[in-house]
Amino acid sequence: GENVEQHPSTLSVQEGDSAVIKCTYSDSASNYFPWYKQELGKRPQLIIDIRSNVGEKKDQRIAVTLNKTAKHFSLHITETQPEDSAVYFCAASNWAGANNLFFGTGTRLTVIP
Amino acid sequence: ETGVTQTPRHLVMGMTNKKSLKCEQHLGHNAMYWYKQSAKKPLELMFVYNFKEQTENNSVPSRFSPECPNSSHLFLHLHTLQPEDSALYLCASAPGVSMSSPLHFGNGTRLTVT
Repeated sequence: GENVEQHPSTLSVQEGDSAVIKCTYSDSASNYFPWYKQELGKRPQLIIDIRSNVGEKKDQRIAVTLNKTAKHFSLHITETQPEDSAVYFCAASNWAGANNLFFGTGTRLTVIP
Repeated sequence: ETGVTQTPRHLVMGMTNKKSLKCEQHLGHNAMYWYKQSAKKPLELMFVYNFKEQTENNSVPSRFSPECPNSSHLFLHLHTLQPEDSALYLCASAPGVSMSSPLHFGNGTRLTVT
């Protein structure tokens, strides 16, 4: 099955700085890569996703890049704010008759005011 | 309102107890999932149901028994659990399995096995 690795496990940045979280995947057939944000005590929520037919996608301060050759994808958050503090999870999916998402171990982001 | 509701929010049970977790979605989705979230581990896929049919059982021990009576409801029946089963159990739904699509999660049930 798919194996997703995520780095770093913790990340602290000053408010206003950028944060980058990186993930790699093992299954070259994976074609869908969502990112979830989980605040303390709350459910994971989708913040952005990308499919394998594009290399980059942006939504306001959040962007995701995908390198299919290297099998890695990254989340970029610019102009970070304290409310960005949360655990972020990457995931990968290869639709092979089932929509099974495989998750990374998560990155705890702390934005210091 | 998340659209995916899980009950109870917290559950403490002994190793010999039998309990059930409940999940309900009001999004009109056709696929439902159980995930286990433990500290410092990836979210682990446990079961997938599509149109009430189980399409995935990710090598889950038989002490966890899922039930999906219809596309809106999903249960996880628990019996003779172990302390290492203590975790946050998350239910999720998705429109279907015709293509990869994002999951909508509930708030989870925090399970503690004593």
